[in-house]
Amino acid sequence: GAGVSQSPSNKVTEKGKDVELRCDPISGHTALYWYRQSLGQGLEFLIYFQGNSAPDKSGLPSDRFSAERTGGSVSTLTIQRTQQEDSAVYLCASSLRAWEPQHFGDGTRLSIL
Amino acid sequence: GQQVMQIPQYQHVQEGEDFTTYCNSSTTLSNIQWYKQRPGGHPVFLIQLVKSGEVKKQKRLTFQFGEAKKNSSLHITATQTTDVGTYFCAGLEGTSYGKLTFGQGTILTVHP
Repeated sequence: GAGVSQSPSNKVTEKGKDVELRCDPISGHTALYWYRQSLGQGLEFLIYFQGNSAPDKSGLPSDRFSAERTGGSVSTLTIQRTQQEDSAVYLCASSLRAWEPQHFGDGTRLSIL
Repeated sequence: GQQVMQIPQYQHVQEGEDFTTYCNSSTTLSNIQWYKQRPGGHPVFLIQLVKSGEVKKQKRLTFQFGEAKKNSSLHITATQTTDVGTYFCAGLEGTSYGKLTFGQGTILTVHP
Protein backbone atom coordinates (compact mmCIF):
# COMPACT_ATOMS: atom_id res chain seq x y z
CA GLY A 1 0.00 0.00 0.00
CA ALA A 2 0.98 3.65 -0.28
CA GLY A 3 3.23 5.09 2.38
CA VAL A 4 3.53 8.63 3.66
CA SER A 5 4.05 10.99 0.75
CA GLN A 6 5.76 14.36 1.03
CA SER A 7 6.13 17.09 -1.54
CA PRO A 8 8.19 18.67 -2.82
CA SER A 9 11.15 16.38 -2.24
CA ASN A 10 13.51 19.32 -2.59
CA LYS A 11 12.90 23.04 -2.26
CA VAL A 12 15.41 25.81 -2.80
CA THR A 13 14.25 29.33 -2.06
CA GLU A 14 15.57 32.74 -1.23
CA LYS A 15 15.72 34.12 2.25
CA GLY A 16 12.54 35.97 3.12
CA LYS A 17 10.24 33.92 0.90
CA ASP A 18 7.38 31.79 2.22
CA VAL A 19 7.32 28.04 1.65
CA GLU A 20 4.64 25.36 1.94
CA LEU A 21 5.46 21.73 2.57
CA ARG A 22 2.86 19.06 2.06
CA CYS A 23 2.30 15.69 3.70
CA ASP A 24 -0.11 12.94 2.65
CA PRO A 25 -0.34 10.40 5.47
CA ILE A 26 -1.22 6.74 5.18
CA SER A 27 -4.95 6.37 4.68
CA GLY A 28 -6.76 5.81 7.96
CA HIS A 29 -3.96 7.09 10.16
CA THR A 30 -5.41 9.52 12.69
CA ALA A 31 -2.14 10.93 14.01
CA LEU A 32 0.28 13.04 11.98
CA TYR A 33 3.62 14.50 13.02
CA TRP A 34 6.12 17.00 11.67
CA TYR A 35 9.81 16.85 12.54
CA ARG A 36 12.87 18.77 11.47
CA GLN A 37 16.26 17.12 10.99
CA SER A 38 19.41 19.11 10.43
CA LEU A 39 22.43 17.46 8.82
CA GLY A 40 23.72 14.66 11.02
CA GLN A 41 21.36 15.57 13.84
CA GLY A 42 18.43 13.94 15.57
CA LEU A 43 14.76 14.59 14.99
CA GLU A 44 13.35 17.82 16.36
CA PHE A 45 9.62 17.58 17.09
CA LEU A 46 7.60 20.42 15.56
CA ILE A 47 3.90 19.63 15.85
CA TYR A 48 1.46 16.76 16.22
CA PHE A 49 -2.11 16.40 14.92
CA GLN A 50 -4.81 14.09 16.18
CA GLY A 51 -7.43 14.29 13.48
CA ASN A 52 -7.53 17.95 12.50
CA SER A 53 -6.59 19.22 15.94
CA ALA A 54 -3.10 20.00 17.16
CA PRO A 55 -2.90 19.11 20.88
CA ASP A 56 0.79 19.91 20.93
CA LYS A 57 2.34 22.82 19.06
CA SER A 58 5.17 23.22 21.52
CA GLY A 59 7.89 22.39 19.04
CA LEU A 60 7.21 25.14 16.51
CA PRO A 61 10.42 27.24 16.60
CA SER A 62 8.77 30.62 16.08
CA ASP A 63 5.57 32.29 14.96
CA ARG A 64 6.88 32.11 11.38
CA PHE A 65 5.98 28.41 11.47
CA SER A 66 2.40 27.21 11.19
CA ALA A 67 0.69 23.98 10.21
CA GLU A 68 -2.77 22.77 9.47
CA ARG A 69 -4.47 19.52 8.68
CA THR A 70 -7.72 19.26 6.79
CA GLY A 71 -10.20 16.42 6.47
CA GLY A 72 -8.15 14.36 8.88
CA SER A 73 -5.74 13.71 6.06
CA VAL A 74 -3.38 16.08 4.22
CA SER A 75 -1.24 18.45 6.25
CA THR A 76 0.64 21.56 5.23
CA LEU A 77 3.57 23.08 7.09
CA THR A 78 4.11 26.73 6.22
CA ILE A 79 7.23 28.72 6.95
CA GLN A 80 6.94 32.47 6.44
CA ARG A 81 9.83 34.83 5.82
CA THR A 82 12.32 31.98 5.65
CA GLN A 83 15.73 32.34 7.27
CA GLN A 84 18.93 30.44 6.53
CA GLU A 85 18.65 28.56 9.82
CA ASP A 86 15.42 27.04 8.51
CA SER A 87 17.47 24.91 6.10
CA ALA A 88 16.94 21.27 7.04
CA VAL A 89 15.05 18.14 6.08
CA TYR A 90 11.42 18.33 7.16
CA LEU A 91 9.99 14.90 7.89
CA CYS A 92 6.35 13.97 8.21
CA ALA A 93 5.14 10.80 9.91
CA SER A 94 1.76 9.24 10.56
CA SER A 95 0.48 6.54 12.87
CA LEU A 96 -2.78 4.67 13.24
CA ARG A 97 -3.21 6.10 16.73
CA ALA A 98 -1.14 8.52 18.78
CA TRP A 99 0.95 6.02 20.73
CA GLU A 100 1.58 3.59 17.92
CA PRO A 101 4.63 3.22 15.64
CA GLN A 102 5.19 6.08 13.24
CA HIS A 103 5.66 5.72 9.50
CA PHE A 104 7.86 8.37 7.96
CA GLY A 105 7.86 9.97 4.55
CA ASP A 106 11.05 10.62 2.60
CA GLY A 107 11.09 14.24 3.72
CA THR A 108 11.44 17.61 2.05
CA ARG A 109 14.97 18.96 1.86
CA LEU A 110 14.67 22.73 2.28
CA SER A 111 17.57 24.98 1.35
CA ILE A 112 17.44 28.71 2.02
CA LEU A 113 19.87 30.77 -0.03
CA GLY B 1 10.39 19.13 29.59
CA GLN B 2 11.16 15.54 28.84
CA GLN B 3 14.66 14.77 27.63
CA VAL B 4 15.95 11.57 26.07
CA MET B 5 19.70 11.10 26.04
CA GLN B 6 21.33 8.49 23.84
CA ILE B 7 24.92 7.26 23.93
CA PRO B 8 27.28 6.81 22.31
CA GLN B 9 26.90 9.38 19.55
CA TYR B 10 29.16 7.40 17.23
CA GLN B 11 30.30 3.79 17.16
CA HIS B 12 32.73 2.23 14.74
CA VAL B 13 33.00 -1.56 14.77
CA GLN B 14 34.57 -4.30 12.72
CA GLU B 15 32.13 -6.61 11.02
CA GLY B 16 31.33 -9.43 13.42
CA GLU B 17 31.74 -7.35 16.58
CA ASP B 18 28.83 -6.58 18.87
CA PHE B 19 27.25 -3.14 19.28
CA THR B 20 25.13 -1.56 21.99
CA THR B 21 23.40 1.82 22.21
CA TYR B 22 21.82 3.15 25.40
CA CYS B 23 18.91 5.47 25.94
CA ASN B 24 17.99 7.34 29.14
CA SER B 25 14.92 9.44 29.81
CA SER B 26 14.56 12.20 32.38
CA THR B 27 11.01 11.01 33.06
CA THR B 28 9.15 7.71 33.27
CA LEU B 29 7.96 6.52 29.88
CA SER B 30 4.74 4.76 28.92
CA ASN B 31 6.56 3.15 26.02
CA ILE B 32 9.76 3.40 24.06
CA GLN B 33 10.25 2.89 20.35
CA TRP B 34 13.39 2.25 18.31
CA TYR B 35 13.97 3.41 14.76
CA LYS B 36 16.74 2.91 12.22
CA GLN B 37 17.70 5.47 9.61
CA ARG B 38 19.94 4.36 6.77
CA PRO B 39 22.22 7.01 5.22
CA GLY B 40 20.09 9.19 2.96
CA GLY B 41 16.88 7.53 4.12
CA HIS B 42 14.09 8.17 6.56
CA PRO B 43 13.61 6.60 10.00
CA VAL B 44 12.06 3.14 9.92
CA PHE B 45 10.30 1.64 12.93
CA LEU B 46 12.04 -1.36 14.50
CA ILE B 47 10.20 -2.18 17.72
CA GLN B 48 8.09 -0.87 20.58
CA LEU B 49 8.55 -1.79 24.25
CA VAL B 50 5.78 -1.20 26.75
CA LYS B 51 6.28 -3.31 29.86
CA SER B 52 8.76 -2.75 32.67
CA GLY B 53 11.76 -5.05 32.22
CA GLU B 54 10.61 -6.15 28.77
CA VAL B 55 13.09 -7.85 26.46
CA LYS B 56 12.39 -8.43 22.77
CA LYS B 57 14.53 -10.02 20.11
CA GLN B 58 14.60 -9.63 16.35
CA LYS B 59 17.18 -12.01 14.89
CA ARG B 60 20.53 -10.45 15.95
CA LEU B 61 18.91 -7.44 17.66
CA THR B 62 17.95 -7.47 21.35
CA PHE B 63 15.93 -4.64 22.87
CA GLN B 64 15.48 -4.04 26.60
CA PHE B 65 13.26 -1.70 28.60
CA GLY B 66 14.42 -0.91 32.11
CA GLU B 67 12.55 -1.85 35.26
CA ALA B 68 11.91 1.81 36.05
CA LYS B 69 10.80 2.48 32.45
CA LYS B 70 13.35 5.27 32.15
CA ASN B 71 16.05 3.55 30.15
CA SER B 72 16.42 1.19 27.24
CA SER B 73 19.10 -0.46 25.17
CA LEU B 74 19.58 -1.98 21.75
CA HIS B 75 22.22 -4.67 21.32
CA ILE B 76 23.30 -6.06 17.96
CA THR B 77 25.21 -9.33 17.95
CA ALA B 78 27.81 -9.99 15.25
CA THR B 79 27.28 -6.82 13.24
CA GLN B 80 27.02 -6.92 9.47
CA THR B 81 27.59 -4.16 6.92
CA THR B 82 23.82 -4.00 6.44
CA ASP B 83 23.52 -2.76 10.04
CA VAL B 84 25.08 0.59 9.10
CA GLY B 85 22.91 3.58 9.94
CA THR B 86 21.66 5.74 12.77
CA TYR B 87 19.68 4.13 15.55
CA PHE B 88 17.21 6.32 17.41
CA CYS B 89 15.28 5.64 20.55
CA ALA B 90 12.07 7.60 21.06
CA GLY B 91 10.18 7.84 24.31
CA LEU B 92 6.49 8.44 24.88
CA GLU B 93 5.33 10.00 28.15
CA GLY B 94 1.92 9.09 29.44
CA THR B 95 0.74 12.68 29.35
CA SER B 96 2.33 13.73 26.08
CA TYR B 97 -0.67 13.04 23.80
CA GLY B 98 1.43 10.88 21.52
CA LYS B 99 4.43 13.18 21.23
CA LEU B 100 7.56 11.08 20.86
CA THR B 101 10.79 12.56 22.14
CA PHE B 102 13.69 11.27 20.09
CA GLY B 103 17.19 10.72 21.32
CA GLN B 104 20.03 12.21 19.29
CA GLY B 105 20.79 8.83 17.77
CA THR B 106 23.84 6.60 17.56
CA ILE B 107 25.60 6.51 14.20
CA LEU B 108 26.91 3.00 13.57
CA THR B 109 29.68 2.35 11.09
CA VAL B 110 30.65 -1.24 10.30
CA HIS B 111 34.03 -1.89 8.70
CA PRO B 112 34.19 -5.04 6.55
